[in-house]
Amino acid sequence: GAVVSQHPSWVICKSGTSVKIECRSLDFQATTMFWYRQFPKQSLMLMATSNEGSKATYEQGVEKDKFLINHASLTLSTLTVTSAHPEDSSFYICSARQTGAEDEKLFFGSGTQLSVL
Amino acid sequence: DAKTTQPPSMDCAEGRAANLPCNHSTISGNEYVYWYRQIHSQGPQYIIHGLKNNETNEMASLIITEDRKSSTLILPHATLRDTAVYYCIVSDYKLSFGAGTTVTVRA
Repeated sequence: GAVVSQHPSWVICKSGTSVKIECRSLDFQATTMFWYRQFPKQSLMLMATSNEGSKATYEQGVEKDKFLINHASLTLSTLTVTSAHPEDSSFYICSARQTGAEDEKLFFGSGTQLSVL
Repeated sequence: DAKTTQPPSMDCAEGRAANLPCNHSTISGNEYVYWYRQIHSQGPQYIIHGLKNNETNEMASLIITEDRKSSTLILPHATLRDTAVYYCIVSDYKLSFGAGTTVTVRA
C-alpha cells in the first residue's frame, strides 16, 4: 500500500518554542492531507484539512495561528506548533489521500509524539 | 456527533474469527464505510472499505447490510497481533474517528 512518512516520530521541546512536523507521501501525490491530534486514551481528533497550494481549513476550536499548516507541494505538508505549551503535548498524526484515486481511502503516518516541558 | 456506534470492547480467542459490528443508521448514499485499526502509539492502519457490496481482502472481510445501516468487519483467524482499537467510519471525504472498539485477542 501507499506510504506516508511522518517526521520526527517524537520531539521534546521547551515551553515557548515552535516545533515543525513533516508529513510526506512517498510513492503517490496527495492534493489533500489531514492533521489529527490524539490525547492519551482518547480517539483521534481532526484538526485541519491541508490542501496543496491553498490555505488549510481548520476544524472548529482549532487555532489557526497556533497550528500553522503549509502544503507547498503534492508530497509534503507541514504542521508547525507555534509557541508550544505543555497543554499542546499530544500525539500528532497526518494522513494523505491519493490524488485522483477512485476509492478515497486515507493513508496515515506513524505519528509524532510531542512533549512540551 | 458520532455517525457510527460500536461496542467499546470485545475479546476474541486466538485462531478464531472476530466479528466486529458497527451501526451507521444515518449513512447517506455517497458515504463509504471504512475500517481502520490503531495499535498503541502508532498511526491508524487501513483495513478495508466498501460502499454497498461486501468486500474481502488479505486482512479482512466487510459485510454491509442491504439497507447499509450496519456492517460487520470479520477477521477470519485472529492473532495476538490483531489486538488493537478498531474504528468504523462512514464518510465521503474526511474521516472523523469515534471511540472505536478495543479488541483483545487472547491466547
